[in-house]
Amino acid sequence: GAGVSQSPSNKVTEKGKDVELRCDPISGHTALYWYRQSLGQGLEFLIYFQGNSAPDKSGLPSDRFSAERTGGSVSTLTIQRTQQEDSAVYLCASSLEGTSGGYEQFFGPGTRLTVL
Amino acid sequence: EDKVVQSPLSLVVHEGDTVTLNCSYEVTNFRSLLWYKQEKKAPTFLFMLTSSGIEKKSGRLSSILDKKELFSILNITATQTGDSAVYLCAVQGLIQGAQKLVFGQGTRLTINP
Repeated sequence: GAGVSQSPSNKVTEKGKDVELRCDPISGHTALYWYRQSLGQGLEFLIYFQGNSAPDKSGLPSDRFSAERTGGSVSTLTIQRTQQEDSAVYLCASSLEGTSGGYEQFFGPGTRLTVL
Repeated sequence: EDKVVQSPLSLVVHEGDTVTLNCSYEVTNFRSLLWYKQEKKAPTFLFMLTSSGIEKKSGRLSSILDKKELFSILNITATQTGDSAVYLCAVQGLIQGAQKLVFGQGTRLTINP
């Protein structure tokens, strides 16, 4: 597609419910990242995919958070038993995986999650 | 620990002023430094810097990287109200075989007419 897309754009849920957030990266981008941005805070790295595997899960805040990627394309971030502190904007980014000199990440519009 | 520190955290200036935003970093196996502008939700890309001492320029914005001193600056000349945003600095490193992007906390820039 033309850019990274995410759905839903907004999600309001009750504490304790599970939510699933979706990211469609730019076609051909092999690397995919999930970030979280809480109100007034900077971007927090959650997880990184290279293809379908996740070599770096170090940012996942707890075992309630999980993510998967299938077909080297779409990724879903699942939060189980949501808590109020999970309320944030969840951003997805994708990039070509370069072997030298770094690369540019393109961001989606984000999903605003509100846990009541 | 990998970290990126931006300063100032907040800056308020008048339209037409020139501003300089700072970013210092410590990261394992540095690959590149990126600047983003964030107005609403998604950050939009401004610059990627990989080589020291080479200025990148786009209109009124410019940026330079100093890999020896581990910092970068973002300059905006003749500021306009549309430049009001949070400016994010991020550094890419190679950590345990995985590419990782570490963000600074951002500088909130407000341009008053």
